[in-house]
Amino acid sequence: GAGVSQSPRYKVAKRGQDVALRCDPISGHVSLFWYQQALGQGPEFLTYFQNEAQLDKSGLPSDRFFAERPEGSVSTLKIQRTQQEDSAVYLCASSLRGASGGQPQHFGDGTRLSIL
Amino acid sequence: KQEVTQIPAALSVPEGENLVLNCSFTDSAIYNLQWFRQDPGKGLTSLLLIQSSQREQTSGRLNASLDKSSGRSTLYIAASQPGDSATYLCAVEPDSWGKLQFGAGTQVVVTP
Repeated sequence: GAGVSQSPRYKVAKRGQDVALRCDPISGHVSLFWYQQALGQGPEFLTYFQNEAQLDKSGLPSDRFFAERPEGSVSTLKIQRTQQEDSAVYLCASSLRGASGGQPQHFGDGTRLSIL
Repeated sequence: KQEVTQIPAALSVPEGENLVLNCSFTDSAIYNLQWFRQDPGKGLTSLLLIQSSQREQTSGRLNASLDKSSGRSTLYIAASQPGDSATYLCAVEPDSWGKLQFGAGTQVVVTP
């Protein structure tokens, strides 16, 4: 079956523009995570959904970042009024179960966002 | 606050040598620990997941150990191959929700 799919793969935007990044998780996966990865660093947690409920958004850097998963499947990460420091790779991951129970997370290939 | 550290940051070995990658974490109250592989321009591929009650996991040439009390995990890759060249990341789950906290990774190059 298909893995986690993210689109677009690359996004270039001018500072101040709004962007929307899409994640299609593996079908049937309950949990969905967004991470931000700066060059040469490990991913940093942004937010977590269990089905359509956003249970943890403690990693979102500012109120310019917003994520949703309205039907419990596809998720969108939106960044408003982009800044240069938002340039990074945004990774989406999904896992089968809700709470941790030894389920590995499956990652997409990410969206590389460049803010000019 | 949990901190995850991976040493060394980069490693180069000739083909056939065994690889030893280290991961340390400051808070031993973790649920799971995972090792991932990341190829350039790609997402992460899960290699091994060790639950907090386990001491090690094995898959083929890979073996990962976990010592919660000392805050350490080690990934062993036996008989390395050029195809093992990648960045290896360890991540801990600090709570039951599944979110991961990553180290910065070890970049591995295996030369033919």
